Formats: sequence, C-alpha cells, structure tokens
Amino acid sequence: DTGVSQNPRHKITKRGQNVTFRCDPISEHNRLYWYRQTLGQGPEFLTYFQNEAQLEKSRLLSDRFSAERPKGSFSTLEIQRTEQGDSAMYLCASSGQFLDYGYTFGSGTRLTVV
Amino acid sequence: AQSVSQHNHHVILSEAASLELGCNYSYGGTVNLFWYVQYPGQHLQLLLKYFSGDPLVKGIKGFEAEFIKSKFSFNLRKPSVQWSDTAEYFCAVNAQAGTALIFGKGTTLSVSS
Repeated sequence: DTGVSQNPRHKITKRGQNVTFRCDPISEHNRLYWYRQTLGQGPEFLTYFQNEAQLEKSRLLSDRFSAERPKGSFSTLEIQRTEQGDSAMYLCASSGQFLDYGYTFGSGTRLTVV
Repeated sequence: AQSVSQHNHHVILSEAASLELGCNYSYGGTVNLFWYVQYPGQHLQLLLKYFSGDPLVKGIKGFEAEFIKSKFSFNLRKPSVQWSDTAEYFCAVNAQAGTALIFGKGTTLSVSS
C-alpha cells in the first residue's frame, strides 16, 4: 500500500471517447500532482494542486485535459476525445508542505487508446 | 526552465560491482534534488533526497548521492550492487518545496547474478 491510491489501474478506450481517472492522496498531504509517463521516458509533469487550487499547468496539458480537486481531497483527471497519443501511464503524487518524505507516488493508471 | 539530464540510458553490471549513475540539472538557483527508483511492475519509490547541508546524502538500501554545486550534478552511487537492484532509476529536481518535480529520462540498471 503506497498511501496514494489511483483508480482504475488499467483503462482501454476507443479513440474519441472520454476517460476519467481518480487519485486519492495521502490524507495529510495538501499538494497533489499529476504526471504522464511513456515507455522509456521519465514522468512528465502535467499539473499540480495545493488544496483545491490548481497552481500550475504544463503546456503538455492540452485543452482536452482537465483536472479537478474539489474540497482539496481526491482529484480527477479527465481526457476528452482521446487520441492514440494519449496512451501512457498517468501517475499521481502527493506531498506535504515541507517535503519531509518527498513526493509519494501512486501505482498509476495505464491508459490504452485503441 | 529546469531540466534534468541522465547520461546513462542502460547500465549492465554484475553483482558486487560498484555503481555510479550520472545526473546533471539545469537551473541557476537553489534546488532540491531527488533520486527515485522504480522496480519492475512497482510504483516510484524515494531513494534519497537533498535539500541542504552535507552534500553527501545517504539513502535506503545502501545508496548514496553527492551534490556538487559547481558541476550542477547529483550522482547516485552504491559500492556493491545486488541482483535485486535491477530497476529504473530517476533523478529529479525542483526549485522550491511543494512545486512540481522535474524528472530525467531515467537509467535502466540490469544486474546479473
């Protein structure tokens, strides 16, 4: 149990469909991050929240991507009109304010767009 | 913008060999530095981190890293690797606590027994 929970673990969808992923961070952590990882690459930053406020978005986060963190607890990442290039592992991480334990990552959601 | 460069894409070692994985970052200000490991089929796990103080940082499983500010480097070392160290290793940096980590592309370590 990593402490950061992501659901679903795997998602296969047809091109053009919308998908939504959920992340439940460690409860004491006020910061939550979304990353995307493709084969042979390091995680690429997408966006992050401090409590419910979305403070930064990467240019990788196109208009088809939207993330929310209502009430500063769990977060959702939605991809609209999926494309084959969206196929990747989507990682969620959380951290406390002072990074005593670094950033804790979840196991990820693997998205396959067919 | 910050960036992280990991020089070795794939390293192959025999058990008991010494390991050094290179990491350089690009950022002019104060940084926090991290090494993460990802074992096959598992999530990213923190090996060690550097915020300030002694530039030689010790982490879990016998790993250590040395921060050399003048070289913008944070190389990971282990005196004697084991087969169980087979994994992917990522160096990461951020400029301020709580902001996003920027990762290198990773180094795959294969250790043969």
